[in-house]
Amino acid sequence: DTEVTQTPKHLVMGMTNKKSLKCEQHMGHRAMYWYKQKAKKPPELMFVYSYEKLSINESVPSRFSPECPNSSLLNLHLHALQPEDSALYLCASSPQGQGSSTDTQYFGPGTRLTVL
Amino acid sequence: AQSVTQLDSHVSVSEGTPVLLRCNYSSSYSPSLFWYVQHPNKGLQLLLKYTSAATLVKGINGFEAEFKKSETSFHLTKPSAHMSDAAEYFCVVSRSGGSYIPTFGRGTSLIVHP
Repeated sequence: DTEVTQTPKHLVMGMTNKKSLKCEQHMGHRAMYWYKQKAKKPPELMFVYSYEKLSINESVPSRFSPECPNSSLLNLHLHALQPEDSALYLCASSPQGQGSSTDTQYFGPGTRLTVL
Repeated sequence: AQSVTQLDSHVSVSEGTPVLLRCNYSSSYSPSLFWYVQHPNKGLQLLLKYTSAATLVKGINGFEAEFKKSETSFHLTKPSAHMSDAAEYFCVVSRSGGSYIPTFGRGTSLIVHP
């Protein structure tokens, strides 16, 4: 299995809802990432997990809460989001763990989030 | 500090003509450089990467890039464009030997005319 899967593909939520995004990889990769991508912009790094521990949090608001239950799974819990949080949320994984600059990132197809 | 500049926001070519997407980088350390492609409503896919081995790097789908340290450039080329190449292309730099936080360029939209 050489892919990163993300569910759901699309999500519409109100500002008072709580929802979660899920990301899964079965390539044995040691690092996993969450990115946010607005239209016509590059991805912005949000969080990095290395060996199942949070290693980087790029000053993301607390309404976004990541979780790494095991080495294959990465969740992003969403609560009290704002309309400006509407974006494509991309998950990625890489083989060697954060700290290896030569690592290739493998991206999932993303979850298109709309906050009403 | 590191940064990457994609010199063109849009590049328009005719099918069958060469493609050139330009990328300049700035890095205090030996960089690793990547080109990713993103088709509409899809994730990113690696085209090729440079990690201090051969300076001419060949990637998938006929793309290649040359690392030129003297010019701090890593331009992406393809001899003959295909309609399926129409997509967004991102140049990415990461710092060799340090914490891996990739820096993305703003992206170049490649338009291919029939």
